Amino acid sequence: GEEVAQTPKHLVRGEGQKAKLYCAPIKGHSYVFWYQQVLKNEFKFLISFQNENVFDETGMPKERFSAKCLPNSPCSLEIQATKLEDSAVYFCASSQSQGNFNEQFFGPGTRLTVL
Amino acid sequence: LAKTTQPISMDSYEGQEVNITCSHNNIATNDYITWYQQFPSQGPRFIIQGYKTKVTNEVASLFIPADRKSSTLSLPRVSLSDTAVYYCLVAYNNNDMRFGAGTRLTVKP
Repeated sequence: GEEVAQTPKHLVRGEGQKAKLYCAPIKGHSYVFWYQQVLKNEFKFLISFQNENVFDETGMPKERFSAKCLPNSPCSLEIQATKLEDSAVYFCASSQSQGNFNEQFFGPGTRLTVL
Repeated sequence: LAKTTQPISMDSYEGQEVNITCSHNNIATNDYITWYQQFPSQGPRFIIQGYKTKVTNEVASLFIPADRKSSTLSLPRVSLSDTAVYYCLVAYNNNDMRFGAGTRLTVKP
């Protein structure tokens, strides 16, 4: 598609429950990025993929967060045992290239609320 | 520690030029500077990207001094619809994605 699609738009989970978010990048884009945006507008980089391979995961809280980008499937970001501080909007972006001189196209985000 | 900083907010009036500056002291030789615009309940949208000196497109200009430790996004003749949050992004060393905290621009009539 011509836009990055993210589902669901909203997700509500109780503390300790699992949350799974999905992202369909723009066709032809090799790179996928996940970001977490908390209430103060700050973006935190989580992880990036080059096709199905993890490119950079320095921002991932690895004990509870995991992500995949499998061929012919939407990419996913999964949070095991959610905590209150996981409440945020999670954005997915895709681009044709990585790092320098790239334009990232962002999806509309998934708002996760942990109660 | 690589950091990207920008003012929290700015106010302007319709028809004025707005300049938003971002500091990125630890920028490396090959790092580019990118600016995004975000409206409420939407994902950020690409505005402009540059490496040095000046870049101009149909919506904005980006000024980068010789030392590249800062950059200035210039929006000519803003309108009410330019009210948004503007983010500076530097991909330090090609993969350390650092957004600034965002500058909330309010354009008044």
